[in-house]
Amino acid sequence: EVQLLESGGGLVQPGGSLRLSCEASGFIFSNYAMSWVRQVPGKGLEWVSSISASASAIDYADSVKGRITISRDNSKNTLYLQMNSLRVEDTAVYHCAQDVTDYHTYYFGYWGQGTLVTVSS
Amino acid sequence: EIVLTQSPATLSLSPGARATLSCRASQSINNYLAWYQQKPGQPPRLLIYDASNRATGIPARFSGSGSGTDFTLTISSLEPEDFAVYYCQQRDNWPLTFGGGTKVEIK
Repeated sequence: EVQLLESGGGLVQPGGSLRLSCEASGFIFSNYAMSWVRQVPGKGLEWVSSISASASAIDYADSVKGRITISRDNSKNTLYLQMNSLRVEDTAVYHCAQDVTDYHTYYFGYWGQGTLVTVSS
Repeated sequence: EIVLTQSPATLSLSPGARATLSCRASQSINNYLAWYQQKPGQPPRLLIYDASNRATGIPARFSGSGSGTDFTLTISSLEPEDFAVYYCQQRDNWPLTFGGGTKVEIK
């Protein structure tokens, strides 16, 4: 059974930093592209970033480019999101998501429950 | 950036009715479109990818169609568990984008 468990969210002041983690199990993590998608409670979905299985290809939404870094450790089956220079508008639940197949479709077949990031003074 | 416009914003239907949800792209995305269902307090669930392929375990009452700029998700006969919010997502071009969602509510 695929499981994705996010952690690292919390309350941070504007300009602060957080590092989110997503621990994966139930599948061969190193074969799958992974992504982060965020959602303001009660609002829609916003793609944040994706990373290929080997980490050779990475993309970011313009809204986070230059402030957020996605990475992965395939030996630890873990996906990361380093978030710097946080803004109030980054407040959201951050979900990690697994590609639906192992050939990089960038459709999201499995999702974690998410971790809430609140940016506020 | 490709903008996905979903309509209607809210669909009020009775159980057993047929639901037709629309997603229109601001430019052609070939057939690179997915549909997700989201219930309160849960993450989204993938229903359809590449416009018409059902994901694993998705009931046959869910079907997708379309290509280019106009796409449709059809639920042939609404079950009580189908009342939820539905999102479309394109992967033809970066950045990946989602539509604003359609809420299917009980009439």
